[in-house]
Amino acid sequence: GQQLNQSPQSMFIQEGEDVSMNCTSSSIFNTWLWYKQDPGEGPVLLIALYKAGELTSNGRLTAQFGITRKDSFLNISASIPSDVGIYFCAGLRGFYSGGGADGLTFGKGTHLIIQP
Amino acid sequence: DVKVTQSSRYLVKRTGEKVFLECVQDMDHENMFWYRQDPGLGLRLIYFSYDVKMKEKGDIPEGYSVSREKKERFSLILESASTNQTSMYLCASSFSLAGDENTDTQYFGPGTRLTVL
Repeated sequence: GQQLNQSPQSMFIQEGEDVSMNCTSSSIFNTWLWYKQDPGEGPVLLIALYKAGELTSNGRLTAQFGITRKDSFLNISASIPSDVGIYFCAGLRGFYSGGGADGLTFGKGTHLIIQP
Repeated sequence: DVKVTQSSRYLVKRTGEKVFLECVQDMDHENMFWYRQDPGLGLRLIYFSYDVKMKEKGDIPEGYSVSREKKERFSLILESASTNQTSMYLCASSFSLAGDENTDTQYFGPGTRLTVL
């Protein structure tokens, strides 16, 4: 299947710092999604991006859909302890790409650890 | 709010047993999905369904089957559980805007952690 390269793999930051993570792909995606997953729970949707170049905010979170459709980034400003968790990017080509199954393609995740 | 529920949070089964994992969504979504999540491998798509009684194989369908008899319910079946099917199983659902297949945001359930002994 398709691969998304997500970086960094983990981040150790101080409370109050800004955080930046990104995903890149060799393939085009029509939708980019960012999820956060807490231990033992399912991923929770943070931001959805549907158009190339789109910049969307959700509170302290900002995400952008790259112009080439092959990348996306997520920024978290002024991190707080509850931001700890694993963040996943996911891309969706859509059901009608003609290539068979088309669920989400996930990055491997960025593990965010915040030191008080 | 979108609500996706899974029948069990934790499940322990023995090798060779038949296992049913149930998923229910209450938002009248057309599309439903089953993923498994493993350390170092991320989330991988097993099967999905875009309508009642319809199913499509994902990236790793071997050893699994699915059933979608009602729109709100999507079941994952392990016909004969094996130890390599020990994993976290995640169900998701999404709707499709008519004529705009690019807006299929997926919402996830809390997951079922299955251990096969």
